[in-house]
Amino acid sequence: EAGVTQFPSHSVIEKGQTVTLRCDPISGHDNLYWYRRVMGKEIKFLLHFVKESKQDESGMPNNRFLAERTGGTYSTLKVQPAELEDSGVYFCASSQGTDTQYFGPGTRLTVL
Amino acid sequence: AQSVAQPEDQVNVAEGNPLTVKCTYSVSGNPYLFWYVQYPNRGLQFLLKYITGDNLVKGSYGFEAEFNKSQTSFHLKKPSALVSDSALYFCAVRDGANYGQNFVFGPGTRLSVLP
Repeated sequence: EAGVTQFPSHSVIEKGQTVTLRCDPISGHDNLYWYRRVMGKEIKFLLHFVKESKQDESGMPNNRFLAERTGGTYSTLKVQPAELEDSGVYFCASSQGTDTQYFGPGTRLTVL
Repeated sequence: AQSVAQPEDQVNVAEGNPLTVKCTYSVSGNPYLFWYVQYPNRGLQFLLKYITGDNLVKGSYGFEAEFNKSQTSFHLKKPSALVSDSALYFCAVRDGANYGQNFVFGPGTRLSVLP
């Protein structure tokens, strides 16, 4: 069974540009989560999808971040326009009917 | 609100010695507790979890953790450390009363096992 995959693994962009991160959860997992770790600090929750619906987006930092999960399969997280403080590692996780969340390898975003 | 503390940024241990990585938590409902490990340039890998039942939980790679309700702790342990255990370890908690709720993570503890 394939795990959670994320693309790209690394992204380097300039301030003001747009970046879109993609997450493919484990097949059949209804729950999909986005987290990020900024500057080596705690891993912070961003938002939670159940299928295609946003269950909780209380962790989204501001309206420059937009997450979608069309069709309830893969998800994208767009940052537009990117700022320096958005640099960090963005993790995606999925779960289905259990409490364990399975994480992807993360996307390292660097905003210059 | 939930919170997790990992009081040690760094733990150093000699290969073959027992290791402990500490975690304390705060949650309003029933704690669901997890340990994840991150190896260099890799994602978070699930190690073990406590939901209910026996306070001593065994997980992957010979790791175990003990849930202590009175001390609100969930320390990760291994009887004999390997150099390959060197990695970043994260403790996480969520409120068991809320299905699908997000995790709250600790800041991570870097474990170095010295040969």
